[in-house]
Amino acid sequence: QSALTQPASVSGSPGQSITISCTGTSSDVGAYNYVSWYQQHPGKAPKLMIYEVSHRPSGVSDRFSGSKSGDTASLTISGLHTEDEADYYCASYTNTITWVFGGGTKLTVL
Amino acid sequence: QVQVVESGGGVVQPGASLRLSCTASGFTFSTYGIHWVRQAPGKGLEWVALMWYDGTNNYYADSVKGRFTISRDNSKNTVYLQMNSLRDEDTAVYYCARASGYGFSFLDYWGQGTLVTVSS
Repeated sequence: QSALTQPASVSGSPGQSITISCTGTSSDVGAYNYVSWYQQHPGKAPKLMIYEVSHRPSGVSDRFSGSKSGDTASLTISGLHTEDEADYYCASYTNTITWVFGGGTKLTVL
Repeated sequence: QVQVVESGGGVVQPGASLRLSCTASGFTFSTYGIHWVRQAPGKGLEWVALMWYDGTNNYYADSVKGRFTISRDNSKNTVYLQMNSLRDEDTAVYYCARASGYGFSFLDYWGQGTLVTVSS
């Protein structure tokens, strides 16, 4: 149950686009389309942003999108807003019927 | 509206036990699984356990297997996390979250968390 690999930090300016990667293995990310992404502001609970690789829950801005290629999933945020500054975590179902999160990525909007 | 609320956190000594509760409202509780996820101070999220909607199946992270037990009482819309033999490294905010999707693959509503501190 090793954590999925995410960059520790990414940054961008308002209006720009950024992409956060999430690398797993053929036992988790690569095996299933069950990757989800969560946004967490300081001191707050995580919030679901993307599920099943690329689906957005109702109420989540269409500036957020997800994709997957092989063992790596990606979250793209387009048209950055200052309120997008937060920590982002990916998660995946695994072939041992467990779930694994990424280490988290701190997004700074400059 | 959908809500899940954790309770039961506190300060305990190493080796002690604690039971957390997760009480839900705003949806048909008996048709959803519930995950527990924890976050150590300043660290990332760590999945802990999942209980299926009907209580027939439960799954645990290796780090808690054999020490933590998840259970549910659908008549009370509540899931419990019994934590035994607590260690310093179990110190964290514990979140419960509703499990949705095929195989309960994603966590769509989260509580605000309850803090567990294990310290002598």
